[in-house]
Amino acid sequence: DIQMTQSPSSLSASVGDRVTISCRASQSVSTYLNWYQQKPGRAPKLLIYATSRLQSGVPSRFSGSGSGPDFTLTINSLQPEDFGTYYCQQSYSSPATFGQGTRLEIK
Amino acid sequence: QEQLVQSGAEVKKPGSSVKVSCKTSGNIFNNYGISWVRQAPGQGLEWMGGIVPVFNRENYAEKFQGRLTIAADDSTSTVNMELRSLTSEDTAVYYCAKDRPRPGGPFDQWGQGTLVTVAS
Repeated sequence: DIQMTQSPSSLSASVGDRVTISCRASQSVSTYLNWYQQKPGRAPKLLIYATSRLQSGVPSRFSGSGSGPDFTLTINSLQPEDFGTYYCQQSYSSPATFGQGTRLEIK
Repeated sequence: QEQLVQSGAEVKKPGSSVKVSCKTSGNIFNNYGISWVRQAPGQGLEWMGGIVPVFNRENYAEKFQGRLTIAADDSTSTVNMELRSLTSEDTAVYYCAKDRPRPGGPFDQWGQGTLVTVAS
C-alpha cells in the first residue's frame, strides 16, 4: 500500500495568514492526489483533486501543487471558517490511502 | 439533485454483522462508483472498498477481504455495505462516498455518516 505522510500534524494560524500543509507519498502517485477538509462531526469535503484542480464551489484561496512524491495544500488569507482537519489522499493505486491528517486551529 | 443518504446508527455485539445502506439520488447510481470509508473515534480516514453499480464490479481493500461485502440494489438505487465478524476495533463512523467509475477517489460527495458501535 502507498503510505501518505502529512506535516505538520497540527498548526495554529491567524486570520489572514498564508498556511501550507505538506503531503508526501511513499512512492509515485503521478498527479492522483486529492485534498479534503473535515470539520468535527461532519463528513469530509473535497477541496482539490488531481493535485491542483479546485473542486466546484471551493473558494479560490485554496490551491494545490506538487509533483512526484511531494504535494502542498496552500490556503491564502486564512478565514475563520477554515478551521478543521485536512487530509491528503492518493487515488493512483488501490487501496486508496489517506494521510493521517493535519489539524488547523484559528488563533 | 445528487445526494447520498445513509441508514441510521447501529449497536452490535462482537462477532455479529452490520449492514449499512446508502441510498443514492440524481444520476449517481448509473454513472458513478460508490466507495465506503470509515473513521474510528478520533482517528483518520480509511478506505474499505467500492463498487461501480452499472458494471456490478467490486473492489475491496485487502484488509477487509473475506468479511466485507458491498452490493448494489438496482431497484432502489441503493448500495449496501455488510461487515461481518465485528470486533471493538470496527467501532467507527462509516461513510459512503460518490466515486469515479474506477474506485479510489476523488470522493466529491459524501453521505452523512453512520455510527456503528461494537460492544458487549
